[in-house]
Amino acid sequence: DIQMTQSPSSVSASVGDRVTITCRASQDISSSLAWYQQKPGTAPKLLISSTSRLQSSVPSRFSGSGSGADFTLTINSLQPEDFATYYCQQGNSFPVTFGGGTKVEI
Amino acid sequence: QVQLQESGPGLVRPSETLSLTCTVSGGSISPYYWSWIRQPPGKGLEWIGLIYYTGTTNSNPSLKSRVTISVDKSKSQFSLSLSSVTAADTAVYYCTGPHTGVFLNWGRGTLVTVSS
Repeated sequence: DIQMTQSPSSVSASVGDRVTITCRASQDISSSLAWYQQKPGTAPKLLISSTSRLQSSVPSRFSGSGSGADFTLTINSLQPEDFATYYCQQGNSFPVTFGGGTKVEI
Repeated sequence: QVQLQESGPGLVRPSETLSLTCTVSGGSISPYYWSWIRQPPGKGLEWIGLIYYTGTTNSNPSLKSRVTISVDKSKSQFSLSLSSVTAADTAVYYCTGPHTGVFLNWGRGTLVTVSS
């Protein structure tokens, strides 16, 4: 199985801050990396697919980058609605695996 | 837009079989893949497995021997059975799809508690 390691596990930030979350795969996954946002009591929401492809309706302050085994989710100018938990996910091979999550909190 | 809705018992006794159904609306179940994902309370996401509309399946090796996923195209439904459950199987179970390597559409999730 491909292990996905996210860091940090939590981050304290303020409105307007820039937040960077990293995700490292245990092997090369090409660009098959997605990011999800999850708020308490709700299902995860797909933000970014294929490393950097922003889903429609997702604000442009979210961006993704990386390749191979190292990936980054950046949130520019953090907004109140961005406080949530973020997960990375690899779709390069089965079984599909997720990172452990990064909680963005005040 | 495709909508998904999980249904099934919220309480299952240890050693019994957990059974859930996902109903797909707003789109066709064919010719796509559909997945089940679970999330224990306060923990991360675990992919359980997927099914193609033809019935072909792929499951997480960590659960493979206990997982059965099936599809009923006539009802636009796919189902999950997880046998020999323990407290460790207590989780919110989500159905998702169509699966294209990522998970765009999710059901609301259903909490299944394993307890006597």
